[in-house]
Amino acid sequence: QSALTQPASVSGSPGQSITISCTGTSSDVGGYNYVSWYQQHPGKAPKLMIYEVSNRPSGVPDRFSGSKSGNTASLTISGLQAEDEADYYCSSYTSSSTWVFGGGTKLTVL
Amino acid sequence: QVQLVQSGAEVKKPGASVKVSCKASGYTFTSYYMHWVRQAPGQGLEWMGIINPSGGSTSYAQKFQGRVTMTRDTSTSTVYMELSSLRSEDTAVYYCASNFDYWGQGTLVTVSS
Repeated sequence: QSALTQPASVSGSPGQSITISCTGTSSDVGGYNYVSWYQQHPGKAPKLMIYEVSNRPSGVPDRFSGSKSGNTASLTISGLQAEDEADYYCSSYTSSSTWVFGGGTKLTVL
Repeated sequence: QVQLVQSGAEVKKPGASVKVSCKASGYTFTSYYMHWVRQAPGQGLEWMGIINPSGGSTSYAQKFQGRVTMTRDTSTSTVYMELSSLRSEDTAVYYCASNFDYWGQGTLVTVSS
């Protein structure tokens, strides 16, 4: 199972919006609505930000949103804040009854 | 509150095995599947496998088939991940994650001669 494809890095200024893509295949991202997004600050455990494509866990700001079109899922962060600077990972359930992560995207807030 | 507390850091020699524990509290242990995920230094997240704490059934990533064993003890609300035939490339932080909602603090496993 190959890792999902994410851009290595994205950047934006405070207050702007950014979008991170996560591309898979019809056997994972495109085939199931079990795409999640995680935020990871250096030296910390990942934190769930979005589950089942577009749902936010309690406590996650509504500045974070998720969507999916075909084999590509996206995480959008609006109104960027300094504390959003972190690594972001996507994950998806697969047709092999396993899970796969993306390679990760480093978000820099300029 | 939900807590996943993992065992401490380990240093192992190549060829040895390591067993990492993850003790859950704050929720019904048998209600949510537990994943194991690892992260090599400076690298991304890698899914290793999943265990159903209720029945004990498991599913492993193909990469780890034959080398990883996940078990659970319902009496102590603890899941275990054992990785055998360790090599230097297995040096990583290993995380347990309940349904991916809650994550343990991570356990650093260092494989070095």
